[in-house]
Amino acid sequence: NAGVTQTPKFRILKIGQSMTLQCAQDMNHNYMYWYRQDPGMGLKLIYYSVGAGITDKGEVPNGYNVSRSTTEDFPLRLELAAPSQTSVYFCASSYLSGQGYGYTFGSGTRLTVV
Amino acid sequence: AQSVTQPDIHITVSEGASLELRCNYSYGATPYLFWYVQSPGQGLQLLLKYFSGDTLVQGIKGFEAEFKRSQSSFNLRKPSVHWSDAAEYFCAVGPNTGNQFYFGTGTSLTVIP
Repeated sequence: NAGVTQTPKFRILKIGQSMTLQCAQDMNHNYMYWYRQDPGMGLKLIYYSVGAGITDKGEVPNGYNVSRSTTEDFPLRLELAAPSQTSVYFCASSYLSGQGYGYTFGSGTRLTVV
Repeated sequence: AQSVTQPDIHITVSEGASLELRCNYSYGATPYLFWYVQSPGQGLQLLLKYFSGDTLVQGIKGFEAEFKRSQSSFNLRKPSVHWSDAAEYFCAVGPNTGNQFYFGTGTSLTVIP
């Protein structure tokens, strides 16, 4: 079914390791977003992209990197993982800017850094 | 500064009872307002949204919300709650330009038989 697909669903990393969280959408949405969700803290925007080749920082970008080489894919890279990056990560997309259409969310990646 | 406040961390209601989840926002311009629902282990699903016009908006699953500019509120309501409504509910506010959305910290709903 159409939607936003995130992989992996769960991952345990050791401090200092790196990994890439994958996000793909098949709805031809221009806008894509990465959020992290911490208990009692709501969702915080990490990075977003308004189209292939264009990315920008959100509210909490430190420790992360993104790229957008295609419309479909928007991977999130963690370099030198730290315990503070333990969180649930959500990828989302929207047809145009999200405020007009709302987001379609993926099912999330639960990351633990130990 | 922009912010969203959901004053109730957790609410418990009986099945069949009415429900109201509160959301207050702080925003300098006319906001776009959303309610999302998150079932355990799932992503967020859009329930409803408000941009302009009628201040009472209808959403999916029998939910509605009312925008009250004078109170800076966008409360979510449902006349009769079903056990399947147990989930986490998030209010969000966004600009009419740009991409920065702000989410509340969520309200966890428990439904008892």
